[in-house]
Amino acid sequence: GAGVSQSPSNKVTEKGKDVELRCDPISGHTALYWYRQRLGQGLEFLIYFQGNSAPDKSGLPSDRFSAERTGESVSTLTIQRTQQEDSAVYLCASSRGGQGPPLNYGYTFGSGTRLTVV
Amino acid sequence: AQSVTQPDIHITVSEGASLELRCNYSYGATPYLFWYVQSPGQGLQLLLKYFSGDTLVQGIKGFEAEFKRSQSSFNLRKPSVHWSDAAEYFCAVGGTGTYKYIFGTGTRLKVLA
Repeated sequence: GAGVSQSPSNKVTEKGKDVELRCDPISGHTALYWYRQRLGQGLEFLIYFQGNSAPDKSGLPSDRFSAERTGESVSTLTIQRTQQEDSAVYLCASSRGGQGPPLNYGYTFGSGTRLTVV
Repeated sequence: AQSVTQPDIHITVSEGASLELRCNYSYGATPYLFWYVQSPGQGLQLLLKYFSGDTLVQGIKGFEAEFKRSQSSFNLRKPSVHWSDAAEYFCAVGGTGTYKYIFGTGTRLKVLA
């Protein structure tokens, strides 16, 4: 598509429920990232996918968080047994790969999913 | 430790006035520096980036930023602010061989008519 698409745009869930967030990257972008933006804080790196390589999961805050991506397509971020501190905007970004550092190519961000845990 | 500091949480300026948003970084290697803007309900949009070369970089929407290595700063400037510039601005740093940004906490800009 023309941009990075995220769904849903807003999600309200009860504490303890599982949620699944979806990201459709730009076609042809091999790199995909998830970031979390808590109110009043900067963006926190969560996870990075590059092609078929093993993802970098070093930013996932707990084992309640997981993410999947099949090839260079859609990614889903799953949060199990949601807690109130999980309330945040979850941003997805994609980037095309290449020989140089991925940052050279810049990220394109989606508009995010606002998750509210009540 | 690697970090980005944006010391101003909120800034208010009058339309037509000049603007400077501050960004200081701590990074162990040669930094790549970025400014992003986030309008309400929108994703982050890249304003400009610095990798190397001329330390004054021009971006979109009339913004510019100056890299000062001695001060570990990358401040964003605009000579004359428009009402449509009201948004949140994020500074970020990355480096060679990495794919991760480190973001600042953002500066929310309000523009008075």
